[in-house]
Amino acid sequence: DAGVIQSPRHEVTEMGQEVTLRCKPISGHNSLFWYRQTMMRGLELLIYFNNNVPIDDSGMPEDRFSAKMPNASFSTLKIQPSEPRDSAVYFCASSLALLAGAQETQYFGPGTRLLVL
Amino acid sequence: DAKTTQPPSMDCAEGRAANLPCNHSTISGNEYVYWYRQIHSQGPQYIIHGLKNNETNEMASLIITEDRKSSTLILPHATLRDTAVYYCIVAGKSTFGDGTTLTVKP
Repeated sequence: DAGVIQSPRHEVTEMGQEVTLRCKPISGHNSLFWYRQTMMRGLELLIYFNNNVPIDDSGMPEDRFSAKMPNASFSTLKIQPSEPRDSAVYFCASSLALLAGAQETQYFGPGTRLLVL
Repeated sequence: DAKTTQPPSMDCAEGRAANLPCNHSTISGNEYVYWYRQIHSQGPQYIIHGLKNNETNEMASLIITEDRKSSTLILPHATLRDTAVYYCIVAGKSTFGDGTTLTVKP
């Protein structure tokens, strides 16, 4: 298996623009997580899905952020409009969870490095 | 969900065992302890997990105290490539703290 795939790997955009980050989880996994990592705040969980349904989005910073999982093999994290403070590395992870909310081993993608000017 | 506490940094000599502690005094009875590491600029990588018993795999050993309030990750023969940030988290919700930055020195 290729592991968790994220695209793009790097993104540079200007303030106010829409940014869409993409994630393909490991085939067969039923949970997907979006994280944001910055020097100041470390690794933060933004949202996680189980069986394509958002279970916990309490980490989503504000309405400018939205995440979707239209099917088991694809998820997007969208920022609209983007701001300089959104600059961070965004990681996607997937796992095979037997129960919603249960912790199973997470497999992380390589991340998307976002810079908002 | 239980919170974990780890020392911010540790050094280890190459070839020696690295022992990384983690406190999780509010852990619940059915919550697992997971360890991940993050090598510079890469995504976190799973190392090992356990519930009550000590565990060992090809990467490391995990020692969990009988009261489950703390655990220790052991890298038996640390190499320079083991230099990374090590995270201890408790199952239930993926709250990664600041972790321990392990520096393996020649």
